[in-house]
Amino acid sequence: AQSVTQLDSQVPVFEEAPVELRCNYSSSVSVYLFWYVQYPNQGLQLLLKYLSGSTLVKGINGFEAEFNKSQTSFHLRKPSVHISDTAEYFCAVINTGTASKLTFGTGTRLQVTL
Amino acid sequence: ETGVTQTPRHLVMGMTNKKSLKCEQHLGHNAMYWYKQSAKKPLELMFVYSLEERVENNSVPSRFSPECPNSSHLFLHLHTLQPEDSALYLCASSQSMGDTQYFGPGTRLTVL
Repeated sequence: AQSVTQLDSQVPVFEEAPVELRCNYSSSVSVYLFWYVQYPNQGLQLLLKYLSGSTLVKGINGFEAEFNKSQTSFHLRKPSVHISDTAEYFCAVINTGTASKLTFGTGTRLQVTL
Repeated sequence: ETGVTQTPRHLVMGMTNKKSLKCEQHLGHNAMYWYKQSAKKPLELMFVYSLEERVENNSVPSRFSPECPNSSHLFLHLHTLQPEDSALYLCASSQSMGDTQYFGPGTRLTVL
């Protein structure tokens, strides 16, 4: 079975500053990795995903993430955040090759202030 | 309308009521999911349907009853709920099981 750890429950950051949201996973087999964003009172929106190929994945809204197999990490980054990026961010993992379930982390609340 | 839609967006019900949540996907997907999102807990997968057959039930109490009449629609029938069932209920769909999941906006359920 796989698991996902998001160590930071909250990340406060000033507008236009860079940010990194950390995600580590555990799995005995190969995985696909995802980042979702949830704005207040809304459902989850897919930000980006890693399935195969280049380990640096670019997503919507200027976000990117890097898959690091040796460190079992998939950290999310943005070089300059905006107030509108304030939201809850979820990392998720699913085992490849089988129709296993998507496992989510507990989420990181990104709070952007002026 | 595109994507995954859910109705109603908000629902308040008493413990003796019967209500249903509806999910519709307009993506041509074959798999649909119900999740429960409670405060400060990871998303909990409740049910999975693939090609209109239930393929997973994660030990969900029988007061939650899913129904998938066709590949585009998914319902969650609710009866005699408890206050601890208050949460955001999210529906998702994917092309097939294991593929990228796309979520609806959720139904905020409050049980009094």
